[in-house]
Amino acid sequence: AQSVTQLGSHVSVSEGALVLLRCNYSSSVPPYLFWYVQYPNQGLQLLLKYTSAATLVKGINGFEAEFKKSETSFHLTKPSAHMSDAAEYFCAVSDGGSSNTGKLIFGQGTTLQVKP
Amino acid sequence: ETGVTQSPTHLIKTRGQQVTLRCSSQSGHNTVSWYQQALGQGPQFIFQYYREEENGRGNFPPRFSGLQFPNYSSELNVNALELDDSALYLCASSTGMETQYFGPGTRLLVL
Repeated sequence: AQSVTQLGSHVSVSEGALVLLRCNYSSSVPPYLFWYVQYPNQGLQLLLKYTSAATLVKGINGFEAEFKKSETSFHLTKPSAHMSDAAEYFCAVSDGGSSNTGKLIFGQGTTLQVKP
Repeated sequence: ETGVTQSPTHLIKTRGQQVTLRCSSQSGHNTVSWYQQALGQGPQFIFQYYREEENGRGNFPPRFSGLQFPNYSSELNVNALELDDSALYLCASSTGMETQYFGPGTRLLVL
């Protein structure tokens, strides 16, 4: 069975500091991995995805994530935090369609706070 | 190109009632997935519809049901509402098993 663990339910950084949000996954098949962002009272917006191509994935708004199979990790980073990055971030894993649904399994989420 | 839309945005029901939530998929997408997001939690997969047929279901009771129409829009129906059904209901559309794009959600409150 697939699962996702996001380490740290709350992360606080200063504006301009490095953002690091941690995600570890468990999957019996080659996974597809995603990061989504959710702003208050909104749906989920796709930040980036890994689908077995390059292990370093670049997304929108300056975010990137690196797939590390040996560590079963897919951590999200951004070199310099902006106030507008404050939101809830979700890591998700999919079986890529091997179960014929490609359903997403989400982590519990990490709230990113950016201090001025 | 129109994104995923959902209606209504908010809804208040009482325990035991029935509710229907609606989702219009993004242009060109033939697959709709529904998720339930309880407060402070990650979204949980309810079910998926592909070309008008249910194509996978999560751990939700039969009182959660759905439909997909020929234009690929979809409905989520919940019967016999319980207090724990209070949540944000998210619809996502995709082309088959490709990346899912989410709508803004419907926030349901059951009193």
